Amino acid sequence: RKEVEQDPGPFNVPEGATVAFNCTYSNSASQSFFWYRQDCRKEPKLLMSVYSSGNEDGRFTAQLNRASQYISLLIRDSKLSDSATYLCVVTASYGQNFVFGPGTRLSVLP
Amino acid sequence: DAGITQSPRHKVTETGTPVTLRCHQTENHRYMYWYRQDPGHGLRLIHYSYGVKDTDKGEVSDGYSVSRSKTEDFLLTLESATSSQTSVYFCAISESSRGHNYGYTFGSGTRLTVV
Repeated sequence: RKEVEQDPGPFNVPEGATVAFNCTYSNSASQSFFWYRQDCRKEPKLLMSVYSSGNEDGRFTAQLNRASQYISLLIRDSKLSDSATYLCVVTASYGQNFVFGPGTRLSVLP
Repeated sequence: DAGITQSPRHKVTETGTPVTLRCHQTENHRYMYWYRQDPGHGLRLIHYSYGVKDTDKGEVSDGYSVSRSKTEDFLLTLESATSSQTSVYFCAISESSRGHNYGYTFGSGTRLTVV
């Protein structure tokens, strides 16, 4: 089993839709969690950190369920500019290497 | 944006030649990483560094070496390039403090083609 797994996608949604991505991780010692966004032929960029209590940044909401070893990202009111690949990232502990999921591709259609 | 630059941005090289990619940061971050990204495999760690002259192997280190003689520079060398090393290479930096991991910041990538 891979350390970090994600819905493969692609997700094709109309503008204005709400879309949710899921991510599971296998290392129960994981401590830090992130969502990254990667545009085609560009570097990944940090979208948001994921905190135990859940957190929201505008149209984006991230949730963490440690018991189920599960992370989610919810995007409300999708925009065309949200089209990208979304990477789930997990790290075991302080200063440790990040493990990247394979990514989920999102296409927001006009 | 964080000060991290990679050079060159694009390179075409012949099989069997050595190639060095450079990553330079101006953020004074302790940790530096080299990843490669290939279709179907995602981002895979090649080598990483947690300080000057402190480096370690990642998941796919065979055929690669690294050096970090200064905090700001992390070099990746393909000792004898092969076609399987055709890929996009990303450098990343990170910092952590008081038990908290801050996210990676990536460079813009180097697109390497081995012919």
